[in-house]
Amino acid sequence: GENVEQHPSTLSVQEGDSAVIKCTYSDSASNYFPWYKQELGKRPQLIIDIRSNVGEKKDQRIAVTLNKTAKHFSLHITETQPEDSAVYFCAAPEYGNKLVFGAGTILRVKS
Amino acid sequence: GAVVSQHPSWVICKSGTSVKIECRSLDFQATTMFWYRQFPKQSLMLMATSNEGSKATYEQGVEKDKFLINHASLTLSTLTVTSAHPEDSSFYICSANHRSILSYEQYFGPGTRLTVT
Repeated sequence: GENVEQHPSTLSVQEGDSAVIKCTYSDSASNYFPWYKQELGKRPQLIIDIRSNVGEKKDQRIAVTLNKTAKHFSLHITETQPEDSAVYFCAAPEYGNKLVFGAGTILRVKS
Repeated sequence: GAVVSQHPSWVICKSGTSVKIECRSLDFQATTMFWYRQFPKQSLMLMATSNEGSKATYEQGVEKDKFLINHASLTLSTLTVTSAHPEDSSFYICSANHRSILSYEQYFGPGTRLTVT
C-alpha cells in the first residue's frame, strides 16, 4: 500500500517569512495529492491539491509543487500570517478512493 | 457546497455502554464515507470505508464487531462504538466523497470527541 512521509514535524517561522513542508510517497501510480489544514479541535480543511498531470499549482499565498520522478510534493506558504498557525497534513491516494495521510506538521507563525 | 455534518460533536459515556455517531452529507450525495480516529497530536488514522448499501471495509487492526458501521443512504453513515472502554476515547471524524465529481476529494465532518469514563 501507499506510504506517506512528511517533514518537518514542527516548523516555526517569523511572520512574513515563507514556510515549506515536504511529503514523499511510495506508489508511483498515485495521481492526486491534497493538503489539509487542521486547527485545534476542528475538522481538516482542504487548502490545495494537485494532480499528477501538472507540476505546480498556486492559490494566492499557497502553492504546491510535485516532482513525480522523485515522488515528492511540497506545500509552500508565502508571507505567513499568525492565522496560518495550524497542523498541516499531506495525503496520497490508495485503492478504493482512500487517502493515506502524512504524520502532520505543526506550523507556528510568530508575530 | 460539499458540507458534511456530524452528531454529536462531543459525548461522554460510561465504560461498557455503546455510542452512536452520525455522519451526514448535507448538500450532496456521497459515493463513499470514511471513518477516521485521531488521537491527540497524531495524524488521521482510517478505521473503515463505508459504501451505501454494502458492508463496510475495515482497516487492519480495527475490530468490526466493536466499531459497527451502517451506511443506510447516500447521505448518512453511522458509527457505533460498542462496549466502549477508556482506550476508545478519541476524536472520531468522518469524511465523504462527492458522488458527481472526482472521487479522491474528501470533505470532512467537524468530528466527534468521545470520552469514556
